[in-house]
Amino acid sequence: QSALTQPRSVSGSPGQSVTISCTGTSSDVGTYNFVSWYQQRPGKAPKLIIFDVTKRPSGVPDRFSGSKSGNTASLIISGLQPDDEGDFYCCSFAGSYSWVFGTGTEVTVL
Amino acid sequence: EVQLVESGGGVIQPGGSLRLSCAASGFNFHNFAMHWVRQAPGKGLEWISLISGTGGNTFYSDSVRDRFTISRDNNKNSLYLQMSSLKTEDTAFYYCAKVGKNGDSFFEYWGQGTLVAVS
Repeated sequence: QSALTQPRSVSGSPGQSVTISCTGTSSDVGTYNFVSWYQQRPGKAPKLIIFDVTKRPSGVPDRFSGSKSGNTASLIISGLQPDDEGDFYCCSFAGSYSWVFGTGTEVTVL
Repeated sequence: EVQLVESGGGVIQPGGSLRLSCAASGFNFHNFAMHWVRQAPGKGLEWISLISGTGGNTFYSDSVRDRFTISRDNNKNSLYLQMSSLKTEDTAFYYCAKVGKNGDSFFEYWGQGTLVAVS
């Protein structure tokens, strides 16, 4: 199973919006509405921010939103804040009780 | 409050074995499937194993199948990962993660991780 493809880095100024893409295949992202996103700050464990493509856990600001089209899922961070910096990973169920993560994207707030 | 605390990591020679533990609290452990996910230093995340709430069903990634064994003791609220025939490429932080309360397709809570260095 190959890792899902994400841009290596994205950046934006405070208040701007950024979008992180996550491209898989018809065997994972394209078939299952089980895409999740995780934020990982340096030296910390990942934190769930989006599940089932568009759903937000309680406590996650509505500035974070998710979508999917075909084999590509996207995470949109609107109203970018300094605290949003970190690495972001997408993940998709890939069938047969297996999961595949994305390559990771570093978000920088300028 | 959900807490997951991994332990058991360390330095091990190639070909050796190691057992990781994950102590869970703050939820009905036996009701939830659990995962192990690893991350090589400076690299991305890799799912490696899942176990059902009862422990009766286990699943593995191709990279660890036949070398690693996931298990759990619901009486002790503990998850385990027995690793054998370790390779240098198994060097990573190992995280245990709880599935979501509204579905088991994602990783709702994570432990802080334990580092395994195969060298």
